[in-house]
Amino acid sequence: EADIYQTPRYLVIGTGKKITLECSQTMGHDKMYWYQQDPGMELHLIHYSYGVNSTEKGDLSSESTVSRIRTEHFPLTLESARPSHTSQYLCASSESQRTGSEKLFFGSGTQLSVL
Amino acid sequence: GQQLNQSPQSMFIQEGEDVSMNCTSSSIFNTWLWYKQDPGEGPVLLIALYKAGELTSNGRLTAQFGITRKDSFLNISASIPSDVGIYFCAPIPNSGGSNYKLTFGKGTLLTVNP
Repeated sequence: EADIYQTPRYLVIGTGKKITLECSQTMGHDKMYWYQQDPGMELHLIHYSYGVNSTEKGDLSSESTVSRIRTEHFPLTLESARPSHTSQYLCASSESQRTGSEKLFFGSGTQLSVL
Repeated sequence: GQQLNQSPQSMFIQEGEDVSMNCTSSSIFNTWLWYKQDPGEGPVLLIALYKAGELTSNGRLTAQFGITRKDSFLNISASIPSDVGIYFCAPIPNSGGSNYKLTFGKGTLLTVNP
């Protein structure tokens, strides 16, 4: 059973607002990821982290930023939300101690709508 | 980077029918993972394949690791409405290592008509 949690599940906000999407995991995983997904579409990696104080940009350019101050916590922030940011945001984590542990565990996602 | 092709992109089937989908690539992989994403949820791992030629079942799901190590297939028998969702393949190369970032196929959207 995966123990990775995202809040909020749904968020509707106005343009220009600053928002933070929360992601926490209790599995002690070093690696964490943020994916962006439009309805019924492929998963796009936007940020990842291999451990505390480590963050990298993913394959898809994003105006969001992330931080990794604690192992279990990997929040994503948008300083000024725009309608183009409307999407589902999925957080995931995996082990890193050995090859073959790349299986990702996903949270339930945050569906963001920017008006 | 590697090119990963997943097909079909979408399927509309009647309840009780069998389903088949696949992923192919020009690269060789050491592991194939298959995920399912229910509507409004995050993807969940269904099956993991670790050896070329391996055939693994999980209930009505059967997945195979292609003998060339460049492809994988997922079959669902006797589909039911709760099979609806997006199915993703995610292969891992031999040189993956601990810093490898998992790459996902573009997904197969499955709709089952009761």
